[in-house]
Amino acid sequence: GESVGLHLPTLSVQEGDNSIINCAYSNSASDYFIWYKQESGKGPQFIIDIRSNMDKRQGQRVTVLLNKTVKHLSLQIAATQPGDSAVYFCAVRGGSTLTFGKGTMLLVSP
Amino acid sequence: GAGVSQSPSNKVTEKGKDVELRCDPISGHTALYWYRQSLGQGLEFLIYFQGNSAPDKSGLPSDRFSAERTGGSVSTLTIQRTQQEDSAVYLCASSPTSGGAGWAQYFGPGTRLTVL
Repeated sequence: GESVGLHLPTLSVQEGDNSIINCAYSNSASDYFIWYKQESGKGPQFIIDIRSNMDKRQGQRVTVLLNKTVKHLSLQIAATQPGDSAVYFCAVRGGSTLTFGKGTMLLVSP
Repeated sequence: GAGVSQSPSNKVTEKGKDVELRCDPISGHTALYWYRQSLGQGLEFLIYFQGNSAPDKSGLPSDRFSAERTGGSVSTLTIQRTQQEDSAVYLCASSPTSGGAGWAQYFGPGTRLTVL
């Protein structure tokens, strides 16, 4: 039958697994990076940020990794929980503006 | 409150009517942004206010859209003669910087606008 969806990349994981969400950027001069979480019906929520002089930063159950060589950013969520189900998107600063990615939908099954 | 607040949370209007959406940024934040988000889409930048500088209106989709920020705090986004394609969630964000639009932005819950 017909499927109607958000057409976002989707990552499906089991509760307790670790999740990795990726973001690629194109501007090598980008110097500041942010991950946001957006639950259904809510505004985006700041999760964690990292500056270009770092390659790793840890928060509570989340880790952001930055690989400037290949212009890649990832968000790792440890021991994923059903409450982590949301759309996650990155924001990248290049110059004086933030550019937001389209997002990845994380679905966590109990 | 500690966060960005927006009102109303939901607005249903008839095509052709004007609507006003309100945003209260985090106290002390000098930068304020408006975005539009359609179902399943990313954030579409509309307008940016930074302190007392002239706003960056480069994202406004038509002259039916306008925004004001009074006293460097509260902002109102106005859509005149609404069209069905204006239906979306309108998000406001604020940022603590006083120098440029490239810092962490903190978002409000959004206003869901439905134009019948």
